[in-house]
Amino acid sequence: GAGVSQSPSNKVTEKGKDVELRCDPISGHTALYWYRQSLGQGLEFLIYFQGNSAPDKSGLPSDRFSAERTGGSVSTLTIQRTQQEDSAVYLCASSLKREGEQFFGPGTRLTVL
Amino acid sequence: SQQGEEDPQALSIQEGENATMNCSYKTSINNLQWYRQNSGRGLVHLILIRSNEREKHSGRLRVTLDTSKKSSSLLITASRAADTASYFCATWRQAGTALIFGKGTTLSVSS
Repeated sequence: GAGVSQSPSNKVTEKGKDVELRCDPISGHTALYWYRQSLGQGLEFLIYFQGNSAPDKSGLPSDRFSAERTGGSVSTLTIQRTQQEDSAVYLCASSLKREGEQFFGPGTRLTVL
Repeated sequence: SQQGEEDPQALSIQEGENATMNCSYKTSINNLQWYRQNSGRGLVHLILIRSNEREKHSGRLRVTLDTSKKSSSLLITASRAADTASYFCATWRQAGTALIFGKGTTLSVSS
């Protein structure tokens, strides 16, 4: 596609439920990133995928968070047993090369009631 | 931990005025990037300045970098109402696996 797409754009869930957030990066971009942005804050790094290498998961806040990237393209971020503090905008980005310009998707706004 | 810290946190100006935002960072860098965010959603890359560059221009944007002071500034000249947004500086984590963003400067341009 022309840009990074994310779905859903908004997700409201109840505390304790699992959620899946999807990211479609720009075709040909080998690097994919997930960030989280809480209200009025900067972006917090979650996880990084580069080609077929093992992902850098050092930013994941707890073991309730996991992510995968299938076939080097689409990525899914899964949050299990959601908590209210998980409420945030989850942003995905991709880039052609490491340490280059990142292209962001529109984000998924997650609200945990 | 946050690498970049923007200053001021909020800035309100009139159309036609210039807006200057500053960013300080902590560790050595290969490059520094500025991004813009409208309405709390996706970010748009504005400009990248490498560590061996001191100044870079792109349209109405001017970015400076002082590696000795570990600081950068973004100047928007002749601002427009459409420039109203949040602006973030970002540098790379030392492992080079992701950007570290500051909390941003919220710019409001009134007509």
